[in-house]
Amino acid sequence: AQSVAQPEDQVNVAEGNPLTVKCTYSVSGNPYLFWYVQYPNRGLQFLLKYITGDNLVKGSYGFEAEFNKSQTSFHLKKPSALVSDSALYFCAVRDKGYSTLTFGKGTMLLVSP
Amino acid sequence: DAEITQSPRHKITETGRQVTLACHQTWNHNNMFWYRQDLGHGLRLIHYSYGVQDTNKGEVSDGYSVSRSNTEDLPLTLESAASSQTSVYFCASSGGAGGAYEQYFGPGTRLTVT
Repeated sequence: AQSVAQPEDQVNVAEGNPLTVKCTYSVSGNPYLFWYVQYPNRGLQFLLKYITGDNLVKGSYGFEAEFNKSQTSFHLKKPSALVSDSALYFCAVRDKGYSTLTFGKGTMLLVSP
Repeated sequence: DAEITQSPRHKITETGRQVTLACHQTWNHNNMFWYRQDLGHGLRLIHYSYGVQDTNKGEVSDGYSVSRSNTEDLPLTLESAASSQTSVYFCASSGGAGGAYEQYFGPGTRLTVT
């Protein structure tokens, strides 16, 4: 089975500070990992993905994520948060032997001015 | 520009009625998905399709059905709406095969069953 956990329901950070949104996963094989962002009353937007290769993945809006196989983690990071980054963030995983994505429950990021 | 659209955006219906939510994509993607989003549950997969005439059940398929007669559309039908089906529904599509491709999401349909 494949699963993904986002241990924090909410993350609060001040504008200009670095941010981290945590994600851990469980798969039986090698994973495909994704991050999506959802703004209020909108659909999910793709941010970045890890398929293979370099463990540090760079994506849209200055976000990046680091794949750590030993810790089975794929944390989302940004060096300097913006108020406009406030949104709901979803991590998703697909085991290469599976046909569909499994999403985490989401983490609300609130960036204060 | 290619896009994925959903209609209606908002729907109120009564218990026991049949409801169909439309999803249309112009990406020419083979893969299409329906999810529901509920507080505390994140996104859960209802049904998916990997091509015309192909449909598959997801994690929470009871009470829902889909059909795929062309590449562009995957309508979701609630056969007899129940209050437990009050939710926000998202359609998504992706290209390619093998699962390495990101999904593109529609804007969502907010369904209320009274």
